Amino acid sequence: QKEVEQDPGPLSVPEGAIVSLNCTYSNSAFQYFMWYRQYSRKGPELLMYTYSSGNKEDGRFTAQVDKSSKYISLFIRDSQPSDSATYLCAMIPPGVTGGGNKLTFGTGTQLKVEL
Amino acid sequence: EAQVTQNPRYLITVTGKKLTVTCSQNMNHEYMSWYRQDPGLGLRQIYYSMNVEVTDKGDVPEGYKVSRKEKRNFPLILESPSPNQTSLYFCATGQGSTEAFFGQGTRLTVV
Repeated sequence: QKEVEQDPGPLSVPEGAIVSLNCTYSNSAFQYFMWYRQYSRKGPELLMYTYSSGNKEDGRFTAQVDKSSKYISLFIRDSQPSDSATYLCAMIPPGVTGGGNKLTFGTGTQLKVEL
Repeated sequence: EAQVTQNPRYLITVTGKKLTVTCSQNMNHEYMSWYRQDPGLGLRQIYYSMNVEVTDKGDVPEGYKVSRKEKRNFPLILESPSPNQTSLYFCATGQGSTEAFFGQGTRLTVV
């Protein structure tokens, strides 16, 4: 069983839809949770991160962590064609500092927002 | 402009021919890492470095070497490449935060 599971998609939605992207994980010791966006032929870029449980909002994006269920989500409101990309969840286990060091990634969900 | 630069972007090589993929960053970050990305397996860490002359294995280090002689550079060395090392490789940097800055990637094919 992988430490982090993510539905690969593809997920296709109409412009303006609310998108929900999810990951489950098995290691209850994970503390930092991140979402990266990766456009085709590009490197991943950080969208959001949260520490421990709770919600975090940034513009049209909301990250949610439910540690009791070992489940994290990324919601995209008013989705745009420019949101079409692969979304990767990532986690840092405790005792490890971040900064590109020791990230455990999900396999990514491919999202397509259609006009 | 903050940059993580990898070279080459594309490489086709033959089994057993040593190669080096370079990574350079201009952000003065302490942490640098190498990842490979494969369909269905996602991004997996190969090696990481916490500072000059400090490196450690990630999750899939077999068949790879790294060195960190200068803060800005972190080359990935494949001494004897094999076809199972055909992949998309990313270098990443960071500075004690949760953010990793990724390069543009190097697509390697070993035939």
